[in-house]
Amino acid sequence: GESVGLHLPTLSVQEGDNSIINCAYSNSASDYFIWYKQESGKGPQFIIDIRSNMDKRQGQRVTVLLNKTVKHLSLQIAATQPGDSAVYFCAERAAAGNKLTFGGGTRVLVKP
Amino acid sequence: ETGVTQSPTHLIKTRGQQVTLRCSSQSGHNTVSWYQQALGQGPQFIFQYYREEENGRGNFPPRFSGLQFPNYSSELNVNALELDDSALYLCASSLAGSQETQYFGPGTRLLVL
Repeated sequence: GESVGLHLPTLSVQEGDNSIINCAYSNSASDYFIWYKQESGKGPQFIIDIRSNMDKRQGQRVTVLLNKTVKHLSLQIAATQPGDSAVYFCAERAAAGNKLTFGGGTRVLVKP
Repeated sequence: ETGVTQSPTHLIKTRGQQVTLRCSSQSGHNTVSWYQQALGQGPQFIFQYYREEENGRGNFPPRFSGLQFPNYSSELNVNALELDDSALYLCASSLAGSQETQYFGPGTRLLVL
């Protein structure tokens, strides 16, 4: 789950549609996962987290799904709004560890 | 807003110089982690400070060093700056050591010429 360079994958979505952002993580020992949203010129903003003893967690308009078998994480955004346009990062943390390891990010563009 | 503040917001240095970046953690948070984010990439862990001591370090050379103060604020120092040090430097604060969610500040944009 390390960085992939300057050309971020981009998801274009119509305003009001649902968005699904996917992330493959690398460490089977990771037990805590977070989704962050980063707008241009700002730091990452916490969206939702999930621990490895769960496979689904819901927040306000967002749902995170965790599949430990295939080491896959997804973020679903319901009724996507223009303010959801940003780069989204998944991050993982190993059990008893302290650092977050970030994926390469996905850019979401919301079309009006 | 997370309540995590960083200064300065932007900085331009030349190769070989030294830089100090500052971070104030969210009220009540006693742990500060520093990350480097190159353009178009995800943040990379530099190190973490807890109870004024380094509590884990990523794959960064010793010229990256830090401090944490009794009020939990923190500094990141980088010596002998290189062009590749140009990046957004983020600090994140969290509660009670390593196991809680990390909340990020707005970052300091460093340009090394």
